Formats: sequence, C-alpha cells, structure tokens
Amino acid sequence: EDKVVQSPLSLVVHEGDTVTLNCSYEVTNFRSLLWYKQEKKAPTFLFMLTSSGIEKKSGRLSSILDKKELSSILNITATQTGDSAIYLCAVEDNNDMRFGAGTRLTVKP
Amino acid sequence: DADVTQTPRNRITKTGKRIMLECSQTKGHDRMYWYRQDPGLGLRLIYYSFDVKDINKGEISDGYSVSRQAQAKFSLSLESAIPNQTALYFCATSDPNKAAGTSGRPRGTYNEQFFGPGTRLTVL
Repeated sequence: EDKVVQSPLSLVVHEGDTVTLNCSYEVTNFRSLLWYKQEKKAPTFLFMLTSSGIEKKSGRLSSILDKKELSSILNITATQTGDSAIYLCAVEDNNDMRFGAGTRLTVKP
Repeated sequence: DADVTQTPRNRITKTGKRIMLECSQTKGHDRMYWYRQDPGLGLRLIYYSFDVKDINKGEISDGYSVSRQAQAKFSLSLESAIPNQTALYFCATSDPNKAAGTSGRPRGTYNEQFFGPGTRLTVL
C-alpha cells in the first residue's frame, strides 16, 4: 500500500535552533515530492523535488530528495517563531497525490 | 482576491442531511482536487478531476460524490452526512502544463497545488 510517513510528528524548539524534518515514502510510480507549510489555514507550497541530491533552497529553508532511500528532509536553520506551523510532505504518484500526517513545529521565543 | 475560494467556510449539520461544498478557481487550472484533513492523518484525497469530463476517486471516496460543472467549479457532496465526516475540507487546483513562473521546468512535471481556505464541517 502506498504511504507517506513523516517524522517527528511534533517538535518543539527555541528560536535560533536548526531543525530537520523527515519524510519517507513508498509509492509505486514516484513522480515528485512536495513540501508545504500550513499555518492557520490552507497549506502553502514550499518546494517540489524530482531529482535526487539536488538541494532546493529558499532563505533559511532547504530540502533534498534521496530516491535511493525513498526519503526527503526539510531543514530550517536559525528558526524563528514565525516558522511555527505544520509541515506537510506530499508525494505525487502518477496521477495521485498522497500526503503525510505532517510535522507540527513549535518555535518558542 | 483569492484564486481558490470555498463556500461555505463553516457548516454545522445533522446526521443524514445532504451537504454540498463548493469550490471555485480563477487560476485557469484544469486539475482540481478535494481533500479532507483530520488531526494526525494529514490530508487525504477524496476525489480529483483532470478536466470537466474526467473525474476520479481518491483514497477515501466512499460517502462522497463530486460534480465538475465547469473548468472553474468543482463541488463535493455528502449525500447523507455522518459524524465521522466531521473534518476540515480543502479544495486545491494544479496544472502541470503551466510553468507557473518557474523557468526551465519541463512541461508536465510541475504539480504544485494551490489550496482554498478550507471548509470546516461538523456533523452532529
């Protein structure tokens, strides 16, 4: 059965810390892996990854895909309270999009 | 103005009632999706549509039906609502054939989804 698993499910850090969020997947026909940030409302897009080993960066956020290990990580450096959110990983499998349960990140001042 | 809108934003209903959730988009995307979000389970796909004539079941379609009235509109219906359908429902759109501002990306490989604000449904 296709599945996407994120870890940890919940994480509490202090401002300035660096965090690494994990996403592993088992799908039949992988096409892409996407990361979203969900604050109070709808998820907003962060990254899309299709190739192994190529890091995507946006400010303090970065992500990389490892197709051999069937996983991806999302790094956030120098965390700020505004980074507090649920981070969702989604894997596109042919025409289907399957989401993980999300990692709830709380950044304390 | 929001590109993807959902109505209603909140709804409380009783078991057995028929409910319709509406989604409209101005992005011109062909693909539209309905998800539900439950605590600890993430987003789960209910139905998706690649164009007006192409509708597909997702991971959890039982108890739901959809209608794609036009490219811009995708409605989700609960024919007879039950309490375990209490959840946050999201509509989303995508169009892999559009570059969406990202240069150099091959067509057909870009599937960023744009989400509506969500509908919180409570079934009593």
